[in-house]
Amino acid sequence: DGGITQSPKYLFRKEGQNVTLSCEQNLNHDAMYWYRQDPGQGLRLIYYSQIVNDFQKGDIAEGYSVSREKKESFPLTVTSAQKNPTAFYLCASTMTGHEKLFFGSGTQLSVL
Amino acid sequence: GQQLNQSPQSMFIQEGEDVSMNCTSSSIFNTWLWYKQDPGEGPVLLIALYKAGELTSNGRLTAQFGITRKDSFLNISASIPSDVGIYFCAGESGNTPLVFGKGTRLSVIA
Repeated sequence: DGGITQSPKYLFRKEGQNVTLSCEQNLNHDAMYWYRQDPGQGLRLIYYSQIVNDFQKGDIAEGYSVSREKKESFPLTVTSAQKNPTAFYLCASTMTGHEKLFFGSGTQLSVL
Repeated sequence: GQQLNQSPQSMFIQEGEDVSMNCTSSSIFNTWLWYKQDPGEGPVLLIALYKAGELTSNGRLTAQFGITRKDSFLNISASIPSDVGIYFCAGESGNTPLVFGKGTRLSVIA
């Protein structure tokens, strides 16, 4: 079945550690996105990529990094510079343009 | 970035009641979208609206694209327990990513 797969579902980070969240899609979508969700804050855009080997910062990119080496994959690294990383992270994709996003099932990141 | 004002923030309703929520913006949007998020999952698209004044239904859900293109409304009729979740509005305005509201958390009391 076509869809977006995020892994792991739950992730724990130690102080000073970088962690990488995986996002893979087999929908042949061109554009991929990463959102952060905090309780009561809605969805805030971290990074997005409209084509391979290109990506743009969203509203809260500081402390995060991404790569887009393949069309199907858009991993997000939460670096040690992100001092408050505990949140629910959502990956999404769409064909072209920015409407009708399809979301993965999310990764809950917590700090040990 | 742009902001959408979504209200109410939360609602507690009895099973069988109708629900209304809305989204407003100071900016014009070309497309309005409504998503529902179940706990611990990603949002799922419910309805997409493409034209000012458009009224679209999906089962018990009805959404409207405001005439001014600055607002949208979502109504749920005869609510049931599985309607529980967070409902997000989102607006699209050209070659920029979707802008999301902060969500309306719906709780249904059986």
